[in-house]
Amino acid sequence: DGGITQSPKYLFRKEGQNVTLSCEQNLNHDAMYWYRQDPGQGLRLIYYSQIVNDFQKGDIAEGYSVSREKKESFPLTVTSAQKNPTAFYLCATEGLAYNEQFFGPGTRLTVL
Amino acid sequence: GNSVTQMEGPVTLSEEAFLTINCTYTATGYPSLFWYVQYPGEGLQLLLKATKADDKGSNKGFEATYRKETTSFHLEKGSVQVSDSAVYFCALSDRGDYKLSFGAGTTVTVRA
Repeated sequence: DGGITQSPKYLFRKEGQNVTLSCEQNLNHDAMYWYRQDPGQGLRLIYYSQIVNDFQKGDIAEGYSVSREKKESFPLTVTSAQKNPTAFYLCATEGLAYNEQFFGPGTRLTVL
Repeated sequence: GNSVTQMEGPVTLSEEAFLTINCTYTATGYPSLFWYVQYPGEGLQLLLKATKADDKGSNKGFEATYRKETTSFHLEKGSVQVSDSAVYFCALSDRGDYKLSFGAGTTVTVRA
């Protein structure tokens, strides 16, 4: 099936540790996005990538890093510099219709 | 800058009731407008969209009309079902902008 997969679904991290969230897609979409969702705040853009080997900071990039070595993959690393990392993280791709984004099922990160 | 304001929830309705979720926007250009739905524990799904003034988006009994004069894109459904219980997000993208701006989301609960 075509789609976007995010793993793991739930992730627990100790303070001071880096953690990497996976996002893989087989939709052949060029653009990929990472959002953070907090209760009552909607979605906020962390990073986005329009093409392989290129990515841009979004509105809340501090404490996060990404890579885009393959078209299918856009992993997000939450570093120890991120002061409040507990949140629901959503990966998205952009389809052929301009700005129509498709979302993965999300990863819920909890810092213990 | 671009922004989206949607009515605060939570909204609780009985089955077969009429649903309206208000959404207004601020944009510098000529945005496309979207409604996304998020079911519990899942990612977002595109519900409907409109790309120019007076366009009406519709899907699964939901409708929204792009009103440029009132900068609004209110979501309506004439007869809700329990399965419509979800969080609804209004969003916009401006021409030439690669990101979506989201409202805070409105939680809707439909009781049998």
